[in-house]
Amino acid sequence: AQTVTQSQPEMSVQEAETVTLSCTYDTSESNYYLFWYKQPPSRQMILVIRQEAYKQQNATENRFSVNFQKAAKSFSLKISDSQLGDTAMYFCAFRGRGNTPLVFGKGTRLSVIA
Amino acid sequence: NAGVTQTPKFRVLKTGQSMTLLCAQDMNHEYMYWYRQDPGMGLRLIHYSVGEGTTAKGEVPDGYNVSRLKKQNFLLGLESAAPSQTSVYFCASSYSRASGNLEQFFGPGTRLTVL
Repeated sequence: AQTVTQSQPEMSVQEAETVTLSCTYDTSESNYYLFWYKQPPSRQMILVIRQEAYKQQNATENRFSVNFQKAAKSFSLKISDSQLGDTAMYFCAFRGRGNTPLVFGKGTRLSVIA
Repeated sequence: NAGVTQTPKFRVLKTGQSMTLLCAQDMNHEYMYWYRQDPGMGLRLIHYSVGEGTTAKGEVPDGYNVSRLKKQNFLLGLESAAPSQTSVYFCASSYSRASGNLEQFFGPGTRLTVL
């Protein structure tokens, strides 16, 4: 079974600075999909960014980018120019081949400090 | 489009009581999911459905039952609630993988407290 590990339960960053959230996963599959979800205090789950394992190029979405290291099974999220609205729980998630549901990590609580 | 909606948003039960959580989606998605979120545990899959009339167990299915009688609805039932089922419950839906769109869309969550 696949597992997703987020080793940083909490992090903080100064406004306008850059922060990187870590995620590692374990799988025997060669083709799969990785996601970062954001959960602000409103509790709503919001997709931030996704990466397809067969693509070598790292995904980017505005201030959010990933560092995908397939051999190391690592999928970190970088947030540039952090804003107060980035304060949230961030979940890393894995989806394998076939009709498999998402497997989530335990989350990292990020606080952006003014 | 309303997206994914959940009813109710909050509920307090006494141990042994039963209840049903309703999830509805208007995006014609094939797949629907029920997760629970507990502090420090992330989201864990309870049950899911890959189509009308089909359901499957997830990681933590004990104490829950589900039904998918209509494509747009996915019901989560607690027959005899226990304090260990105090949690926030999320419903999600997605297209089948054949569509190429892999995103799961989440509802706003239901906070359930069992006393």
